[in-house]
Amino acid sequence: AQKVTQAQTEISVVEKEDVTLDCVYETRDTTYYLFWYKQPPSGELVFLIRRNSFDEQNEISGRYSWNFQKSTSSFNFTITASQVVDSAVYFCALSEDANDYKLSFGAGTTVTVRA
Amino acid sequence: DTGVSQNPRHKITKRGQNVTFRCDPISEHNRLYWYRQTLGQGPEFLTYFQNEAQLEKSRLLSDRFSAERPKGSFSTLEIQRTEQGDSAMYLCASSANGMRSAKLFFGSGTQLSVL
Repeated sequence: AQKVTQAQTEISVVEKEDVTLDCVYETRDTTYYLFWYKQPPSGELVFLIRRNSFDEQNEISGRYSWNFQKSTSSFNFTITASQVVDSAVYFCALSEDANDYKLSFGAGTTVTVRA
Repeated sequence: DTGVSQNPRHKITKRGQNVTFRCDPISEHNRLYWYRQTLGQGPEFLTYFQNEAQLEKSRLLSDRFSAERPKGSFSTLEIQRTEQGDSAMYLCASSANGMRSAKLFFGSGTQLSVL
């Protein structure tokens, strides 16, 4: 069974619009980590954010914010006032072992920001 | 602080040939991971090392695949008797120990094309 589901395959927006990426995960563990990574055309995965399962406080970091809902197993990610440089593939990932940080990735959402 | 370095960036080979990829992690990181990413999918875990010890191998890692990290620094991933299905991006990542370091830093990957 897929552990991380990103239902949106592609999203296209005009610059300055907000973009929200959905992520639903599945785990039996009570302690786990959730991540968002960005993969620009250069190919290198870039770490964006991490949340611990025991901390449901939602935060904002610059133009990024996230909404972690344990009750619905969702970890959504929002880019506010999108820019062309935000165009990339965004991956949600789950780590179920606090010791090895092995990640299970979703299939990714391609975000295209048009000028 | 240099990032994770992978060589070569691209490799084209004929079916049946052997190939070897190299990964140099961030110098103070003792954990090293290999992932495989096919077009339109998220990365899939292959194996990981803590120092020189290979602690886990995915069932995706067939007998034709072997990974080493002889001195706990750089790592190599070898694929013997390559098949067209091995065509993918092979990503390396590293991390430090400790919960505060629970995130992976990825290299730019090696794109393998098997003809």
